[in-house]
Amino acid sequence: EIVLTQSPGTLSLSPGERATLSCRASQSVSNNYLAWYQQKPGQAPRLLIYGASSRATGIPDRFSGSGSGTDFTLTISRLEPEDFAVYYCKQYRTPLYTFGQGTNLEIK
Amino acid sequence: QVQLVQSGAEVKQPGASVKLSCKTSGFTFTSYYVHWVRQAPGQGLEWMGIINLNGGSTFYAQKFQGRVTMTRDTSTRSVYMDLSSLRFEDTAVYYCARSYYDYGFHPWGQGSLVTVSS
Repeated sequence: EIVLTQSPGTLSLSPGERATLSCRASQSVSNNYLAWYQQKPGQAPRLLIYGASSRATGIPDRFSGSGSGTDFTLTISRLEPEDFAVYYCKQYRTPLYTFGQGTNLEIK
Repeated sequence: QVQLVQSGAEVKQPGASVKLSCKTSGFTFTSYYVHWVRQAPGQGLEWMGIINLNGGSTFYAQKFQGRVTMTRDTSTRSVYMDLSSLRFEDTAVYYCARSYYDYGFHPWGQGSLVTVSS
């Protein structure tokens, strides 16, 4: 089973700043089947990025994903107030899916 | 639009079973898969398993094998997740989510809270 380790655990930034979130896999992720989700308190997760770098429908272009193999990054170019939330990465390698433990992006 | 609407909160005693539903709309039902993911209070996301809506085949995470059963009803466009032998640590919000490109999950249901309490 592939283990995903997200860093940092908590990231404190101000609106307008750039956020860089990391997700490291214990083994190479097949075909870059790596996704990122945003979750706000009391809400279901929302898909942001799939296939490591493709934005899901309706996701603003300030969100971008990059990386391959075992190292992946979610970048939020300029933080808006609504971006403060918990972010999870998730990978698929036949036949299992695993999530990272999450990064809490909080307002500084 | 694509929607997944889940059943309401449940309170169960240890050892009991719970069956949650996930009613879908807005897409060709048999062309997709549905996943179940749970989240214990204050914790992260945990993938439980998948059901192929075309035929009903399933695959479960090893942790849940023997206790979970996922089914679907094509006539009502509903997906069900049955979890048996409930333990206190099964207290969580349970989400259903549809498959998307490159093994993404989108959209998600609103979640169903299951509380296991004596």
